[in-house]
Amino acid sequence: AQSVTQPDIHITVSEGASLELRCNYSYGATPYLFWYVQSPGQGLQLLLKYFSGDTLVQGIKGFEAEFKRSQSSFNLRKPSVHWSDAAEYFCAVVPASNRDDKIIFGKGTRLHILP
Amino acid sequence: DTGVSQNPRHKITKRGQNVTFRCDPISEHNRLYWYRQTLGQGPEFLTYFQNEAQLEKSRLLSDRFSAERPKGSFSTLEIQRTEQGDSAMYLCASSLGPEQYFGPGTRLTVT
Repeated sequence: AQSVTQPDIHITVSEGASLELRCNYSYGATPYLFWYVQSPGQGLQLLLKYFSGDTLVQGIKGFEAEFKRSQSSFNLRKPSVHWSDAAEYFCAVVPASNRDDKIIFGKGTRLHILP
Repeated sequence: DTGVSQNPRHKITKRGQNVTFRCDPISEHNRLYWYRQTLGQGPEFLTYFQNEAQLEKSRLLSDRFSAERPKGSFSTLEIQRTEQGDSAMYLCASSLGPEQYFGPGTRLTVT
């Protein structure tokens, strides 16, 4: 079945430590790939996107993500987290066959930051 | 501010009442989407408009839900005879292509 999987429901890291949030998708052709962040009670903010080309994409707030076709993955990374990064992160895809660009979201990973 | 706006931000209603939410998209965006997000879950697609035409509705959208986008500008989402299971965050997004811009959402609580 077509799906977006974020295997970690919660992740806790210390401030200043590096971060990697995992995302895997199962679609036939490479979809459009996104990472969104959501602070409590707020809407979604786009961190970065991959449509084609360079597989390492840079986003806002110092985040980057790497598309790996062989692993059907699009993991989000940040070299040094800040307390303000505590939020929920959603990996999302728009399947290549999806003419209306309807987004399919993963269930999210809640990031906690230790001082 | 030229982002997507939604009103109200919060709505508390009693079971059985009707509620209506409004979304104002980014002005030049021709596509408008509604999503629903329940606690601990990612947003789920409800429906989408291209200009004023409603082109797709999810099976999540029961007969009690209706959405409109008159004149291809703002959109409204109405829920009739609300049920406790309708309690959720309702998110609106707009776009010109695959990159969607989200509003702050309307939090609905049905008591």
